[in-house]
Amino acid sequence: EVHLVESGGGLVQPGRSLRLSCAASGFTFADHGMYWVRQAPGKGLEWVSGISWNSGSIGYADSVKGRFTISRDNAETSLYLQMNSLRVEDTALYYCVKGRDLDYWGQGTLVTVSS
Amino acid sequence: ETVLTQSPGTLSLSPGERVTLSCRASQSVSSNYLTWYQQKPGQAPRLLIYGASSRATGIPDRFSGSGSGTDFTLTISRLESEDFAVYYCQQYGSSPRTFGQGTKVEIK
Repeated sequence: EVHLVESGGGLVQPGRSLRLSCAASGFTFADHGMYWVRQAPGKGLEWVSGISWNSGSIGYADSVKGRFTISRDNAETSLYLQMNSLRVEDTALYYCVKGRDLDYWGQGTLVTVSS
Repeated sequence: ETVLTQSPGTLSLSPGERVTLSCRASQSVSSNYLTWYQQKPGQAPRLLIYGASSRATGIPDRFSGSGSGTDFTLTISRLESEDFAVYYCQQYGSSPRTFGQGTKVEIK
């Protein structure tokens, strides 16, 4: 059974940094692209970033480009999102998601950016 | 970027009714890289349909997807109580991936 467990969220002041992690299990992690999708409170879904199976292809939404960095460790079956220069509008539940069809989602980790 | 517009915003229906949700793209979605998700309150989204018309693993056959190019549809043939939720479409045929704003299906 596929399991994706996010961690690292919390309350942070504007301009500070956070690093999100996603521990994956139940599938061959190294075979799949992985993604971060966020959802602001009461709002819809927004794609944040994606990384190919071998980290050879990486993409970011314009809203986070230059501030966020996605990475993965296939040996540790983990996905990461380094978030710098956080803004109030980055407040959201951040989901770790498997595969190009976004076929399995974690339960999310909440990031709150507030002074 | 490809903008996805879902309609209607909210549907108020009764169990047993047939539901048709629309997702219209601002430009053609290549290779039908169009997916549908269901999200219930307090839960993560769940993949329903990929490739515009293929049901994901474990999805009941009352859910079906159709369409191509810029016009896509999710149909629920007969609403069950557990189907009241918000539904999102998403495209990944062009970068960046984009989601529609969602359609809420609520109990009448």
